[in-house]
Amino acid sequence: EVYMEESGGGVIQPGGSLRLSCAASGFAFDDYGMHWVRQVPGRGLEWVSFISGDGGFTYYADSVKGRFTISRDNSKNSLYLQMTSLRTEDTALYFCAKDVIYQKPYYFDSWGPGTLVTVSS
Amino acid sequence: SFELTQSPSVSVSPGQTAKITCSGAALSKRYAHWYQQKSGQAPVLVIYEDNRRPSGIPERFSGSNSGTMATLTIIGAQVEDGADYYCYSKDSSDRGVFGGGTKLTVL
Repeated sequence: EVYMEESGGGVIQPGGSLRLSCAASGFAFDDYGMHWVRQVPGRGLEWVSFISGDGGFTYYADSVKGRFTISRDNSKNSLYLQMTSLRTEDTALYFCAKDVIYQKPYYFDSWGPGTLVTVSS
Repeated sequence: SFELTQSPSVSVSPGQTAKITCSGAALSKRYAHWYQQKSGQAPVLVIYEDNRRPSGIPERFSGSNSGTMATLTIIGAQVEDGADYYCYSKDSSDRGVFGGGTKLTVL
């Protein structure tokens, strides 16, 4: 059974940095692209970033480009999101999600439960 | 920039048909996918590639995509179908785009 669990969320001051992790199991991790999606509590979903199965291709939403970096360690079945220059508007529940293909963003068929990031002074 | 627009809310009585729409420029030239999110839970895929249903999703869920509008239809909606529904597609640069979400109330 596919399972993913995010970690690393917490309270951080504006301008700070935080690294999120997503531990995956139940599928051949390096065969699939992976995404980060976020959701401000009580609001809609926002796509954040994608990384291909081998880590060679990455995509970012304009709202995070240049501040966030997605990466993966296939030897550890883990996905990461390094967030820098955090803003109050980055406050959200961050989900990792599994794509159905390897190379380019397509759609997600499985999600983790999410980890909450709060950017506040 | 490519945007997807959904109406904020839809309300039906149990057993009725619920239609949730998602509009975007030339949307039919891309695939539309639909996610159901119940309160406090992660989203669940209910329709992919416009009209395909994942295993485990009830047959009452169906989808279509024509012109600039994709539609999620629930025939014979049940109380447990009450949730937020999001359409999803990609822009011309392959970046993901979600609609704003539609709150479905079945009461």
